[in-house]
Amino acid sequence: DQQVKQNSPSLSVQEGRISILNCDYTNSMFDYFLWYKKYPAEGPTFLISISSIKDKNEDGRFTVFLNKSAKHLSLHIVPSQPGDSAVYFCAASNSQGGSEKLVFGKGTKLTVNP
Amino acid sequence: EADIYQTPRYLVIGTGKKITLECSQTMGHDKMYWYQQDPGMELHLIHYSYGVNSTEKGDLSSESTVSRIRTEHFPLTLESARPSHTSQYLCASSPGQGFSSYEQYFGPGTRLTVT
Repeated sequence: DQQVKQNSPSLSVQEGRISILNCDYTNSMFDYFLWYKKYPAEGPTFLISISSIKDKNEDGRFTVFLNKSAKHLSLHIVPSQPGDSAVYFCAASNSQGGSEKLVFGKGTKLTVNP
Repeated sequence: EADIYQTPRYLVIGTGKKITLECSQTMGHDKMYWYQQDPGMELHLIHYSYGVNSTEKGDLSSESTVSRIRTEHFPLTLESARPSHTSQYLCASSPGQGFSSYEQYFGPGTRLTVT
């Protein structure tokens, strides 16, 4: 049973517009969430994270929003740039579980068109 | 800049061969991980280690084995490769304390094809 779901396999946006990538989770014990970006033939790179004690975290053009009641988080990229074209993975963890294991979604492929 | 290396980057090998995928990091991280990923699918944790001489199996059953004799080195071995082992293998490491321990640094991966 998939605990972290990214229901959109792909997303295409115009340069300069907003990209919104969504992620849903089912395990209510998850309390720390991360977004990773992956280019072809490279490993994922950490982008931004959020703890469940917050509902928003911002880093430059990237903002992550967390809605605990809906078990939903989203990544906003504003403005989108062609270099943002990559696969974005959502990941979650239970910080009280005694390990730092991450559970990943299947990823969303973002294409930013010039 | 994360310094975590994996070799080889690509490997095509015949069924029944023994293979070792190498992973090294120069960041002094205590925690290291191996993931398996098929195209379009999530990363699945297959092994992890919290320090020298510590190894645990992950959430996805795997026929591979790992060792952690040195902090910087976390090799993965398949004793007898099969076509079902064809996949991408990603190694990662993370620092030991606080929420930063969840921010894993990934190597570039090894794309394994077993014929």
